[in-house]
Amino acid sequence: QVQLVESGGGVVQPGRSLRLSCAASGFTFSNFGMHWVRQAPGKGLEWVALIYYDGSKKYYTDSVKGRFTISRDNSKNTLYLQMNSLRAEDTALYYCARLVGWSIVDWGQGTLVTVSS
Amino acid sequence: QTVVTQEPSFSVSPGGTVTLTCGLSSGSVSATYYPTWYQQTPGQAPRTLIYSTNTRSSGVPDRFSGSILGNKAALTITGAQADDESDYYCALYMGSGIWVFGGGTKLTVL
Repeated sequence: QVQLVESGGGVVQPGRSLRLSCAASGFTFSNFGMHWVRQAPGKGLEWVALIYYDGSKKYYTDSVKGRFTISRDNSKNTLYLQMNSLRAEDTALYYCARLVGWSIVDWGQGTLVTVSS
Repeated sequence: QTVVTQEPSFSVSPGGTVTLTCGLSSGSVSATYYPTWYQQTPGQAPRTLIYSTNTRSSGVPDRFSGSILGNKAALTITGAQADDESDYYCALYMGSGIWVFGGGTKLTVL
């Protein structure tokens, strides 16, 4: 059974950094692309970033380009999101999700990031 | 920038059929966008219902179905039940490693 468990969220001041992690189990992690998707309080879902199964390619939504970095460690079955220069508008529940084919299919439960002074 | 459009809200009677749609602000949705549908209830992570246009995710009852209707992707719920009352989101693969979610449809069953 696919399991994705996010961690690393918390309260952080504007301009500071935070690193999220997502521990994967129940599937061969190194065979699948992985995403980060976020949801601001009371709002809809927003795709954030994708990393290919082997880490060779990475893509980002425009609003986080240059500030966020997606990465993975296939030896540890773990996905990361390094978030720098955080802004109030980055406040959201951050989900990691598995790519199956060309669809986002499996989701974790999310970790909450609050950017506030 | 392309916007993915969904009805903000919809209502259906118990036992009824409802079709939610997912379109583009410019252009038509086709299978090459790999439309995917999600159900989300308050406080819960999204649940994948349909992916790649019409493939039901594991454990999803067959009263949920996906298709392309005209120039939009569609999610049809037949025999609506009270616990189908949720927010429904679609996502489209725009190519070049980019995905976009629609704004969601709040479905009321009454």
